[in-house]
Amino acid sequence: AQSVTQLGSHVSVSEGALVLLRCNYSSSVPPYLFWYVQYPNQGLQLLLKYTSAATLVKGINGFEAEFKKSETSFHLTKPSAHMSDAAEYFCAVSERSQDMRFGAGTRLTVKP
Amino acid sequence: ETGVTQSPTHLIKTRGQQVTLRCSSQSGHNTVSWYQQALGQGPQFIFQYYREEENGRGNFPPRFSGLQFPNYSSELNVNALELDDSALYLCASSGRLAGGRLDTQYFGPGTRLTVL
Repeated sequence: AQSVTQLGSHVSVSEGALVLLRCNYSSSVPPYLFWYVQYPNQGLQLLLKYTSAATLVKGINGFEAEFKKSETSFHLTKPSAHMSDAAEYFCAVSERSQDMRFGAGTRLTVKP
Repeated sequence: ETGVTQSPTHLIKTRGQQVTLRCSSQSGHNTVSWYQQALGQGPQFIFQYYREEENGRGNFPPRFSGLQFPNYSSELNVNALELDDSALYLCASSGRLAGGRLDTQYFGPGTRLTVL
């Protein structure tokens, strides 16, 4: 069965610092992996996705993630945090044709 | 903007009532999935509709039901509302890849349901 674990429910960084949000997955088949961002009182916006092509995936707003099969990880990074990056971030895994399983989310705070 | 719309944006109901939430999928998408997101949690899969048929269901009771229409828009119905049903309800639309695998899901803005 597919599942996702996001390590760290809250992450705080200073503006300009590296952002690292951790995600580990479990899947019985080659997974598709996603990162979504959610701003307060809004829906989910797709940041990036991995669908078995290049293992380093670049997304919007300067974010990227690397698929590491040996570590079953798909961590999200951004070299330099901006105040507008403050939001909730969700990692999700999809195996086949049905549901997408989400992690519990990581709230990113960016300090000035 | 994903092209996925939901209505209403907010709703207040009392325990025991029934509610219908609506979702219009993005053009070209034939699959709609519904999720419940309780405060401070990740979205939980309720069910999915593909070409007007239910195509998978999460761990939700039968009082959660749905429909998909020929234009691929969808409804989520919840009967006998309980206090714990208070949540943000998200719908996501997607297409299908070769072999039937679910393509990327695009989410609507959600409906905030409050049950008093």
